[in-house]
Amino acid sequence: NAGVTQTPKFQVLKTGQSMTLQCAQDMNHNSMYWYRQDPGMGLRLIYYSASEGTTDKGEVPNGYNVSRLNKREFSLRLESAAPSQTSVYFCASSKDEKEKLFFGSGTQLSVL
Amino acid sequence: AQRVTQPEKLLSVFKGAPVELKCNYSYSGSPELFWYVQYSRQRLQLLLRHISRESIKGFTADLNKGETSFHLKKPFAQEEDSAMYYCALLKSGAGKSTFGDGTTLTVKP
Repeated sequence: NAGVTQTPKFQVLKTGQSMTLQCAQDMNHNSMYWYRQDPGMGLRLIYYSASEGTTDKGEVPNGYNVSRLNKREFSLRLESAAPSQTSVYFCASSKDEKEKLFFGSGTQLSVL
Repeated sequence: AQRVTQPEKLLSVFKGAPVELKCNYSYSGSPELFWYVQYSRQRLQLLLRHISRESIKGFTADLNKGETSFHLKKPFAQEEDSAMYYCALLKSGAGKSTFGDGTTLTVKP
């Protein structure tokens, strides 16, 4: 059972570089989310997609863009990485907006 | 805006002792509250949800609307309970879960 799959697991970038974090779920969930986890700050929502074709900003969207490619896939793009974006990124999905979250295993990103 | 507060970043208890992880929230509407857990080298997963009123791995949590709290309790902690615990609030109809900062629980032998 794959559940929510994120790639890559680790990434090191230089300031100014761009990259895309990929996320896919195989549970036929409608809603998908991107969170970042920083020490002492819990999980903060970056962007979410309530359903295919829609995306909305979360608590900390600056410096990020997202694409809900189809029902299964929800990618997060950093156009010009900054050291402040060093974090662990989690993708999550849920059956709908009222249901529990299923998380991916995370991407550890370092921006030098 | 809604807010979730977990006042203890670190909590340490001995095996067999009772444990309580505190969670307070601020939200003007009717909240849905969750506890998520992240064991070492595992992904974050749901522990329990208040509307289900289940007991999972011996943990329970009662929603106290008067005190706006949703504390997680277990009468006898086990070493395998050592993990990071997050309290989360789902705003009714909004689809966005707000998480607390997390509490790292260590159960000592």
